[in-house]
Formats: sequence, structure tokens, C-alpha cells
Amino acid sequence: NAGVMQNPRHLVRRRGQEARLRCSPMKGHSHVYWYRQLPEEGLKFMVYLQKENIIDESGMPKERFSAEFPKEGPSILRIQQVVRGDSAAYFCASSPATEGAAFFGQGTRLTVV
Amino acid sequence: DAKTTQPNSMESNEEEPVHLPCNHSTISGTDYIHWYRQLPSQGPEYVIHGLTSNVNNRMASLAIAEDRKSSTLILHRATLRDAAVYYCILRSISSGSARQLTFGSGTQLTVLP
Repeated sequence: NAGVMQNPRHLVRRRGQEARLRCSPMKGHSHVYWYRQLPEEGLKFMVYLQKENIIDESGMPKERFSAEFPKEGPSILRIQQVVRGDSAAYFCASSPATEGAAFFGQGTRLTVV
Repeated sequence: DAKTTQPNSMESNEEEPVHLPCNHSTISGTDYIHWYRQLPSQGPEYVIHGLTSNVNNRMASLAIAEDRKSSTLILHRATLRDAAVYYCILRSISSGSARQLTFGSGTQLTVLP
């Protein structure tokens, strides 16, 4: 059973471009979580999704950020018109529908130049 | 959100046991106690979780107080590779937003050779 897969591992975008971060959960996991970690800071919750539904987006910035977890395919975190302050490591985690541990991917490190 | 309190940092000698404490005095009956760790430049890693009884796995042991208001993560023989930030998190089995994992500042464990 492969772990949580995130791609790309590293992403460089110019200011104003769009960034798309992908997360494939572990097999059998229907819950996905996205976190952001700024340099030298802690993990901040962004959004919690189940298949085709956003359960909690209380940590998402109000503008430019969106997330989806379609019926088929990976979860996508999209950042439009990126700014330098978006530079961070973005981690995805998945867990099964029932109570259980959450498993994290290795993250996508976004650099905005 | 039910909150946890952990020491900011701890030190241990290599090959000695480490006891990492966590206080969670406002824990509710539906909260599981989860522990994760994050090694430098990596994604968080699941360590162990439990509800009421003590738990053991290949990585660590979790000792839960009888009143559940505190717990201790036990690494039986610390190695240099155990140097990481350790997070104690309460995760509700209720549906909806309570199922997200909220990371605090954790305990930075330093292992001395």
C-alpha cells in the first residue's frame, strides 16, 4: 500500500502565476487534509475534504486559494496569482473513513520568485 | 478545540528511554490522543494513538492517565534519528470539522550522542 503521494515535490512559480498541488491519498482513505508550513513555523491547518465535499475550510485564506477532492483522481490545492508570501511547504494527509491515524505525504515546497 | 500542553523542548541521551509528557485537561469522551513527529525537512509522521488504555507499537508506547487528562509518549531507547518535534494532538471521532488535526508547537526533542 503506497503512502500518501504529493507532487510535485518542488514547485517554482513567478508572482502572479497559478500553482496546482496534487495529493493522492492512501488506498482506501476518503478523508484528505491540507496543511501549510511557513519557514521556521508550525503546521497550520488549511482545509479538510471528503470525496466531493469540503468539510472544513476554516484555515483557507479567503481569496486565491481553493481545494477539491473529486470522485476520481487526486485532491488538488490551487493557489491563483501567487505572491511571495505563499512560499511554504504544503503537506497533505489522508485518513480512513473510520477513526484512525492520519498519514502525511512528503510535501510540496512552493517557491514564488 | 480541546487543547494540549507540552514542554517546548527536552533532551535525552542516546540509547536511554525518553518520556514526553502532554497535558490535556479539557479532553472529552470522544477525543482520541494522537502523537505525531516531524523530522527536519520532512512531513509529519504518525507515531501512535489511543483512547483509554495504554498502547504499544514498534515505534513507541503511549501511557494514558486514568482520568485521561494527561498522557506520556515513551521512546524506549532513543536514537539520534529520533530527534524531531513531537506533537500531542486530540482528535475527536465526532463527525465534521472536529475530526481535523490541530497542531500546536510541540516538543523539540534533542538526542545527545
